[in-house]
Amino acid sequence: AQTVTQSQPEMSVQEAETVTLSCTYDTSESDYYLFWYKQPPSRQMILVIRQEAYKQQNATENRFSVNFQKAAKSFSLKISDSQLGDAAMYFCAFISAQKLVFGQGTRLTINP
Amino acid sequence: DVKVTQSSRYLVKRTGEKVFLECVQDMDHENMFWYRQDPGLGLRLIYFSYDVKMKEKGDIPEGYSVSREKKERFSLILESASTNQTSMYLCASSLARQSFSNQPQHFGDGTRLSIL
Repeated sequence: AQTVTQSQPEMSVQEAETVTLSCTYDTSESDYYLFWYKQPPSRQMILVIRQEAYKQQNATENRFSVNFQKAAKSFSLKISDSQLGDAAMYFCAFISAQKLVFGQGTRLTINP
Repeated sequence: DVKVTQSSRYLVKRTGEKVFLECVQDMDHENMFWYRQDPGLGLRLIYFSYDVKMKEKGDIPEGYSVSREKKERFSLILESASTNQTSMYLCASSLARQSFSNQPQHFGDGTRLSIL
C-alpha cells in the first residue's frame, strides 16, 4: 500500500525563524512526484512546492525548499524566514497510480 | 488562474436525505476529483474522473456516487446521508497529460457538510 506519514500533528515557530516539517512515504514505484500543499484558514488548498523523484536536486520556491532523500523515502519541507501568513495546515502528498495520497497534515503556528 | 467552484460552503442535511455536492472548474481540465477531509486523517479520495461520463473509485467510495455529464462539472452524491458522512468535502481538478503524475491539482474552497 502507498502511504504518506506526517509524524508532527502540530508545530510552532517564531516569526522570522526557520522550521522544518517532516514527511515520509512508502512506495514500490521508481518514478513519481511529491507535493507539499498548504491549507490556510480560508480552506483552499494551495500548492507550495513539488519534487520529481528522478531529480536529485532539491526543489526550491522562494522561502520554501525541500530535503528529498529518495533512499530514505523522506520529503521534508523547510520554511525560512517564517511569516505570519505561513500559518496553515500543511499536507505532504504523493502521486500513486494516478491518485494523490495525502499525509495526515501538520498544523503550523507562527508566533509573533 | 484556475477556478474551482464548489456550490456550497456550508451545508446541513438530515440522515436519509439524498445530498448533491456540485463542483465546477473553468479551465477545461480533463481530470476531476472528490476528497473528504477529516482531522488526523488528511484527505482521502472518494472518486475521480478523467473524462466526461468516466468515473473511477478512490479509496473510500462506499456510500457515495458521482456524475460527470459535462467536462466542467463533477457532482458528488450521497445516496442516503448518514452521520458518519459529516465532513469537509474538497473538489479538485487537473490537466491531463500522459499521466497524472506531473500535473498539480487545483482545489475548491471546500464544503463543510453536517448530517444531523
